[in-house]
Amino acid sequence: GDSVTQMEGPVTLSEEAFLTINCTYTATGYPSLFWYVQYPGEGLQLLLKATKADDKGSNKGFEATYRKETTSFHLEKGSVQVSDSAVYFCALRVFGNEKLTFGTGTRLTIIP
Amino acid sequence: DTAVSQTPKYLVTQMGNDKSIKCEQNLGHDTMYWYKQDSKKFLKIMFSYNNKELIINETVPNRFSPKSPDKAHLNLHINSLELGDSAVYFCASSHYRGYGSYNSPLHFGNGTRLTVT
Repeated sequence: GDSVTQMEGPVTLSEEAFLTINCTYTATGYPSLFWYVQYPGEGLQLLLKATKADDKGSNKGFEATYRKETTSFHLEKGSVQVSDSAVYFCALRVFGNEKLTFGTGTRLTIIP
Repeated sequence: DTAVSQTPKYLVTQMGNDKSIKCEQNLGHDTMYWYKQDSKKFLKIMFSYNNKELIINETVPNRFSPKSPDKAHLNLHINSLELGDSAVYFCASSHYRGYGSYNSPLHFGNGTRLTVT
Protein backbone atom coordinates (compact mmCIF):
# COMPACT_ATOMS: atom_id res chain seq x y z
CA GLY A 1 0.00 0.00 0.00
CA ASP A 2 0.87 3.68 0.15
CA SER A 3 3.06 4.88 2.99
CA VAL A 4 5.09 7.89 4.10
CA THR A 5 8.12 7.80 6.35
CA GLN A 6 9.28 10.95 8.14
CA MET A 7 12.31 11.55 10.26
CA GLU A 8 11.75 10.96 13.94
CA GLY A 9 11.25 13.99 16.09
CA PRO A 10 11.27 16.05 18.07
CA VAL A 11 13.62 18.46 16.33
CA THR A 12 14.94 21.44 18.25
CA LEU A 13 16.82 24.22 16.51
CA SER A 14 18.02 27.71 17.29
CA GLU A 15 16.47 30.66 15.51
CA GLU A 16 18.00 31.30 12.05
CA ALA A 17 19.29 27.73 11.76
CA PHE A 18 18.86 25.68 8.58
CA LEU A 19 16.05 23.14 8.68
CA THR A 20 15.68 19.82 6.92
CA ILE A 21 12.90 17.36 7.67
CA ASN A 22 13.28 14.16 5.69
CA CYS A 23 10.36 12.45 3.99
CA THR A 24 10.35 9.35 1.81
CA TYR A 25 7.40 7.52 0.37
CA THR A 26 6.12 4.30 -1.14
CA ALA A 27 3.22 4.60 -3.56
CA THR A 28 1.10 2.14 -5.49
CA GLY A 29 0.72 4.66 -8.30
CA TYR A 30 1.90 8.13 -9.31
CA PRO A 31 1.53 10.34 -6.23
CA SER A 32 1.09 14.00 -5.55
CA LEU A 33 3.08 15.07 -2.50
CA PHE A 34 2.19 17.53 0.24
CA TRP A 35 3.53 19.10 3.39
CA TYR A 36 1.04 20.13 6.04
CA VAL A 37 1.72 22.11 9.23
CA GLN A 38 -0.18 21.94 12.50
CA TYR A 39 0.34 24.81 14.92
CA PRO A 40 -0.51 24.18 18.59
CA GLY A 41 -4.24 23.79 19.16
CA GLU A 42 -5.07 24.20 15.48
CA GLY A 43 -6.00 22.07 12.50
CA LEU A 44 -3.77 21.12 9.61
CA GLN A 45 -2.86 23.73 7.04
CA LEU A 46 -1.43 23.00 3.64
CA LEU A 47 2.13 24.34 3.53
CA LEU A 48 3.17 23.34 0.00
CA LYS A 49 2.67 20.70 -2.64
CA ALA A 50 4.24 19.18 -5.75
CA THR A 51 2.36 17.11 -8.28
CA LYS A 52 5.03 15.69 -10.58
CA ALA A 53 8.67 14.68 -10.57
CA ASP A 54 11.20 17.53 -10.20
CA ASP A 55 8.49 20.01 -9.20
CA LYS A 56 9.46 22.28 -6.32
CA GLY A 57 6.78 23.41 -3.91
CA SER A 58 7.44 26.55 -1.87
CA ASN A 59 5.65 28.73 0.65
CA LYS A 60 6.64 30.98 3.58
CA GLY A 61 10.32 30.31 2.96
CA PHE A 62 9.86 26.52 3.02
CA GLU A 63 10.74 24.40 -0.01
CA ALA A 64 10.48 20.76 -1.02
CA THR A 65 11.43 19.08 -4.29
CA TYR A 66 9.67 15.98 -5.64
CA ARG A 67 12.46 13.46 -6.27
CA LYS A 68 11.10 10.42 -8.05
CA GLU A 69 14.46 8.67 -8.29
CA THR A 70 14.88 8.69 -4.51
CA THR A 71 11.13 8.71 -3.69
CA SER A 72 11.70 11.69 -1.43
CA PHE A 73 10.15 15.05 -0.64
CA HIS A 74 12.36 16.63 2.01
CA LEU A 75 11.26 19.90 3.60
CA GLU A 76 13.84 22.68 3.93
CA LYS A 77 14.03 26.22 5.19
CA GLY A 78 17.11 28.39 5.18
CA SER A 79 16.48 30.37 8.37
CA VAL A 80 13.84 29.24 10.83
CA GLN A 81 11.92 31.49 13.20
CA VAL A 82 10.31 30.85 16.57
CA SER A 83 6.94 31.10 14.84
CA ASP A 84 7.80 28.01 12.76
CA SER A 85 7.44 25.83 15.85
CA ALA A 86 4.76 23.29 14.94
CA VAL A 87 4.21 19.70 13.86
CA TYR A 88 4.97 19.05 10.19
CA PHE A 89 3.34 16.24 8.22
CA CYS A 90 4.42 14.83 4.89
CA ALA A 91 1.58 13.27 2.88
CA LEU A 92 0.80 11.72 -0.46
CA ARG A 93 -2.23 11.13 -2.61
CA VAL A 94 -2.32 8.66 -5.48
CA PHE A 95 -4.47 8.92 -8.59
CA GLY A 96 -7.59 6.81 -8.13
CA ASN A 97 -7.32 6.86 -4.34
CA GLU A 98 -9.31 9.56 -2.61
CA LYS A 99 -7.48 9.53 0.70
CA LEU A 100 -4.44 11.46 1.82
CA THR A 101 -1.85 9.22 3.49
CA PHE A 102 0.18 10.94 6.20
CA GLY A 103 3.55 10.36 7.76
CA THR A 104 3.81 10.25 11.53
CA GLY A 105 4.58 13.96 11.85
CA THR A 106 7.72 15.74 13.07
CA ARG A 107 7.51 18.14 15.97
CA LEU A 108 9.74 21.17 15.44
CA THR A 109 10.68 23.54 18.23
CA ILE A 110 12.66 26.71 17.53
CA ILE A 111 14.36 28.39 20.46
CA PRO A 112 15.32 32.07 20.45
CA ASP B 1 -16.36 32.75 6.63
CA THR B 2 -14.58 29.67 7.98
CA ALA B 3 -13.93 27.15 5.21
CA VAL B 4 -14.32 23.89 7.15
CA SER B 5 -16.01 24.21 10.51
CA GLN B 6 -16.52 21.55 13.16
CA THR B 7 -18.61 21.60 16.28
CA PRO B 8 -18.05 21.20 19.10
CA LYS B 9 -14.40 22.10 19.59
CA TYR B 10 -14.24 20.14 22.84
CA LEU B 11 -16.35 17.20 23.91
CA VAL B 12 -16.03 15.55 27.31
CA THR B 13 -18.29 12.61 28.04
CA GLN B 14 -18.52 9.37 29.96
CA MET B 15 -18.04 5.84 28.71
CA GLY B 16 -21.14 4.32 27.22
CA ASN B 17 -22.63 7.60 26.02
CA ASP B 18 -23.56 8.42 22.43
CA LYS B 19 -22.26 11.64 20.89
CA SER B 20 -22.14 13.44 17.54
CA ILE B 21 -19.68 15.78 15.88
CA LYS B 22 -20.84 18.03 13.06
CA CYS B 23 -18.87 19.31 10.09
CA GLU B 24 -19.72 21.79 7.39
CA GLN B 25 -17.69 23.17 4.50
CA ASN B 26 -18.42 26.22 2.36
CA LEU B 27 -15.72 25.63 -0.23
CA GLY B 28 -17.98 23.99 -2.79
CA HIS B 29 -16.06 20.72 -2.46
CA ASP B 30 -17.75 17.46 -3.28
CA THR B 31 -15.68 15.13 -1.09
CA MET B 32 -15.45 15.14 2.70
CA TYR B 33 -13.45 13.11 5.20
CA TRP B 34 -13.07 12.20 8.85
CA TYR B 35 -9.59 11.66 10.25
CA LYS B 36 -8.61 10.58 13.76
CA GLN B 37 -5.46 11.95 15.41
CA ASP B 38 -4.17 10.02 18.39
CA SER B 39 -2.12 11.29 21.32
CA LYS B 40 1.10 10.79 19.35
CA LYS B 41 -0.25 13.02 16.56
CA PHE B 42 -0.65 10.12 14.14
CA LEU B 43 -3.40 10.81 11.58
CA LYS B 44 -5.53 8.00 10.24
CA ILE B 45 -8.41 8.26 7.82
CA MET B 46 -11.74 6.88 8.97
CA PHE B 47 -14.32 7.72 6.30
CA SER B 48 -14.80 9.65 3.10
CA TYR B 49 -17.96 10.71 1.27
CA ASN B 50 -18.35 12.00 -2.25
CA ASN B 51 -21.67 13.67 -3.06
CA LYS B 52 -23.31 11.86 -0.12
CA GLU B 53 -21.90 8.48 -1.21
CA LEU B 54 -19.56 6.59 1.11
CA ILE B 55 -16.32 5.94 -0.80
CA ILE B 56 -13.79 5.17 1.93
CA ASN B 57 -14.55 3.14 5.02
CA GLU B 58 -11.38 2.10 6.79
CA THR B 59 -11.32 -0.47 9.56
CA VAL B 60 -13.34 1.46 12.08
CA PRO B 61 -15.64 -0.05 14.74
CA ASN B 62 -19.26 0.01 13.66
CA ARG B 63 -20.00 2.16 16.69
CA PHE B 64 -18.85 4.99 14.43
CA SER B 65 -21.42 6.00 11.84
CA PRO B 66 -20.90 8.88 9.43
CA LYS B 67 -23.87 10.65 7.89
CA SER B 68 -23.82 13.05 4.95
CA PRO B 69 -27.16 14.83 4.43
CA ASP B 70 -25.68 16.81 1.54
CA LYS B 71 -22.26 17.35 0.02
CA ALA B 72 -21.51 20.31 2.30
CA HIS B 73 -22.05 18.37 5.53
CA LEU B 74 -20.53 15.26 7.05
CA ASN B 75 -21.43 14.35 10.61
CA LEU B 76 -19.93 11.64 12.80
CA HIS B 77 -22.02 9.78 15.33
CA ILE B 78 -20.35 7.57 17.92
CA ASN B 79 -22.30 5.02 19.97
CA SER B 80 -21.26 3.47 23.27
CA LEU B 81 -18.15 5.57 23.68
CA GLU B 82 -15.01 3.87 25.00
CA LEU B 83 -11.87 5.25 26.64
CA GLY B 84 -9.87 4.43 23.51
CA ASP B 85 -12.05 6.76 21.45
CA SER B 86 -10.38 9.73 23.13
CA ALA B 87 -8.59 11.62 20.36
CA VAL B 88 -8.84 14.67 18.15
CA TYR B 89 -11.17 14.17 15.19
CA PHE B 90 -10.61 16.23 12.08
CA CYS B 91 -13.04 16.86 9.28
CA ALA B 92 -11.65 17.73 5.85
CA SER B 93 -12.87 18.40 2.34
CA SER B 94 -11.46 18.50 -1.18
CA HIS B 95 -12.40 18.98 -4.82
CA TYR B 96 -13.34 16.37 -7.37
CA ARG B 97 -13.30 12.67 -7.54
CA GLY B 98 -11.35 10.66 -10.08
CA TYR B 99 -9.09 12.30 -12.61
CA GLY B 100 -7.42 15.39 -11.17
CA SER B 101 -8.47 14.72 -7.61
CA TYR B 102 -5.05 13.53 -6.58
CA ASN B 103 -3.65 17.00 -7.20
CA SER B 104 -6.13 18.62 -4.86
CA PRO B 105 -5.12 19.21 -1.27
CA LEU B 106 -7.45 18.52 1.61
CA HIS B 107 -8.71 21.46 3.65
CA PHE B 108 -9.04 20.68 7.34
CA GLY B 109 -11.21 21.94 10.14
CA ASN B 110 -9.71 22.87 13.52
CA GLY B 111 -10.60 19.56 15.09
CA THR B 112 -12.81 18.27 17.88
CA ARG B 113 -11.01 17.05 20.98
CA LEU B 114 -13.00 14.16 22.39
CA THR B 115 -12.26 13.03 25.94
CA VAL B 116 -13.99 9.94 27.26
CA THR B 117 -13.83 9.45 31.03
